[in-house]
Amino acid sequence: GIQVEQSPPDLILQEGANSTLRCNFSDSVNNLQWFHQNPWGQLINLFYIPSGTKQNGRLSATTVATERYSLLYISSSQTTDSGVYFCAVLYTGTASKLTFGTGTRLQVTL
Amino acid sequence: GAVVSQHPSRVICKSGTSVKIECRSLDFQATTMFWYRQFPKQSLMLMATSNEGSKATYEQGVEKDKFLINHASLTLSTLTVTSAHPEDSSFYICSAVTGSLNTEAFFGQGTRLTVV
Repeated sequence: GIQVEQSPPDLILQEGANSTLRCNFSDSVNNLQWFHQNPWGQLINLFYIPSGTKQNGRLSATTVATERYSLLYISSSQTTDSGVYFCAVLYTGTASKLTFGTGTRLQVTL
Repeated sequence: GAVVSQHPSRVICKSGTSVKIECRSLDFQATTMFWYRQFPKQSLMLMATSNEGSKATYEQGVEKDKFLINHASLTLSTLTVTSAHPEDSSFYICSAVTGSLNTEAFFGQGTRLTVV
């Protein structure tokens, strides 16, 4: 099946800093999403971005489908940005299914 | 975005009993729902894919007789953990997509199951 790797696995930032999270995938995909998992486990949809670039406030994402990677940018980080960030891809193989990446655990400190 | 409601959010049960978890799409029809399991500090692992009106497709290594999935309507899928044991304790979360699988997936709040 498809492999989805995220880097870095862990990241500690001071409030106000910027960061880039990466998601690499091993096969062609039809769909890519970024999520933020809060401390209660809830998955918050950040971006639905199978290709191209999108921005939402301090967050933006870029997916280069032909090179099989996506980037999530966080600018001017805040303590509320702490949590785990996942990318997830949907591909059509023998059955379509959403496969999650390994995750990046982000901690933003004062 | 669309709303997916999962219930209960937390459940504690005795070993040997069965637990049912519900996943509802509140404002859209979900032809496909996915069930995931997440262990502490790990990623989400897909357990099964359920399509309305047909049998669920289970991932390799997931016991279909242990984790019963029913997708009886376009807005409801249920996961029943049968004869639960402490090793079944985990965080279970569902997601739903609309008719086209190339559209955005939305997730429920998750259910934290503890088997004692």
